[in-house]
Amino acid sequence: DADVTQTPRNRITKTGKRIMLECSQTKGHDRMYWYRQDPGLGLRLIYYSFDVKDINKGEISDGYSVSRQAQAKFSLSLESAIPNQTALYFCATRLAGDNEQFFGPGTRLTVL
Amino acid sequence: GQQLNQSPQSMFIQEGEDVSMNCTSSSIFNTWLWYKQDPGEGPVLLIALYKAGELTSNGRLTAQFGITRKDSFLNISASIPSDVGIYFCAGSSFGNEKLTFGTGTRLTIIP
Repeated sequence: DADVTQTPRNRITKTGKRIMLECSQTKGHDRMYWYRQDPGLGLRLIYYSFDVKDINKGEISDGYSVSRQAQAKFSLSLESAIPNQTALYFCATRLAGDNEQFFGPGTRLTVL
Repeated sequence: GQQLNQSPQSMFIQEGEDVSMNCTSSSIFNTWLWYKQDPGEGPVLLIALYKAGELTSNGRLTAQFGITRKDSFLNISASIPSDVGIYFCAGSSFGNEKLTFGTGTRLTIIP
């Protein structure tokens, strides 16, 4: 079984809709991250969390919110989706003290 | 903020050829990581480097942590079809919980 899972894997929605992307991990890691990937721009950090209830903004947090109510789960929400939020979204985890991040399989989001 | 320049952006090679790619940073890193991303999947960690000058291998892959701590290199020897994908470098500095990613090198193998 995968250590880091994301649901859904694909989602098509309309402008203005609220969307939630879920991430779960069985690695026992305390750090969790949400990234966005766009062609030619690499991975950009949206939000990250050191532990339950801890939330920190990344470089592109505007238009997004997150929730970390359990160590194993970190959800990303788009309160009112817009077309330029069409992208691949990745969740990652890391153990405190290590530098290596482990990624989920990604969610492809399309906002029409 | 920190910037990572990764080159080349894309490579078209024949099976069996060796591959080299590199990343340079505008500031010093204490950790360099190399990831590979297959289509439709998340990045997978290939090699981690923690010390300036360090040379680490993982099968046909070899990566080096530059002496200046501002660059890193990845080499793939005798490429095979499953090497196709996008390779990302990533770095972090002391006290920084975040990784900075390069923009990726897309590797294509020509039949």
